Amino acid sequence: GAVVSQHPSWVICKSGTSVKIECRSLDFQATTMFWYRQFPKQSLMLMATSNEGSKATYEQGVEKDKFLINHASLTLSTLTVTSAHPEDSSFYICSARTRGDRGIYEQYFGPGTRLTVT
Amino acid sequence: LAKTTQPISMDSYEGQEVNITCSHNNIATNDYITWYQQFPSQGPRFIIQGYKTKVTNEVASLFIPADRKSSTLSLPRVSLSDTAVYYCLVGDDQAGTALIFGKGTTLSVSS
Repeated sequence: GAVVSQHPSWVICKSGTSVKIECRSLDFQATTMFWYRQFPKQSLMLMATSNEGSKATYEQGVEKDKFLINHASLTLSTLTVTSAHPEDSSFYICSARTRGDRGIYEQYFGPGTRLTVT
Repeated sequence: LAKTTQPISMDSYEGQEVNITCSHNNIATNDYITWYQQFPSQGPRFIIQGYKTKVTNEVASLFIPADRKSSTLSLPRVSLSDTAVYYCLVGDDQAGTALIFGKGTTLSVSS
């Protein structure tokens, strides 16, 4: 099946610094990737849609200048959390979309990245 | 996007069949129904997807009535390792928009 990886799996950074998270589709090309955030005991919240070669589309309430998304190739999207603060501590999950065997779009998720800002 | 409603939690015992029902009254013609499983500190894992009637794969079955306003995920003979959160999502395949997650159903399997 389709595999999506994320790196790093966990990261601890100091308040005010920036952190980059990578999302890769390993065995398929993805023109569209998505970034989600999940707080403890809560569901996934869509942050933005990342399109290869164009600007990302952010959901309402998500600061585009704080969460920089770059989708430079068909297999890689990156999320950079700039000037991180403790309230940015969360579980960040990416996903990539591809057509399955039946021609239907299927969305596959990465393993997630745990960000802790101290 | 069609909103989904699921039970917040369910309990079961090993070896039992578990059926989780999801309500999606406003499902649109182009919408597909997809179920995901999530363990703590992991990304969601695709379980099954369907449009109508019944779909079966190696891990689950998905039952969708003719009006498509609900769907039921059936897990045969659950084990302790099936303890997880299960999400029902509805999305337009052709539009290719992101899946929006609801609260999900926390399934607890005991021995």
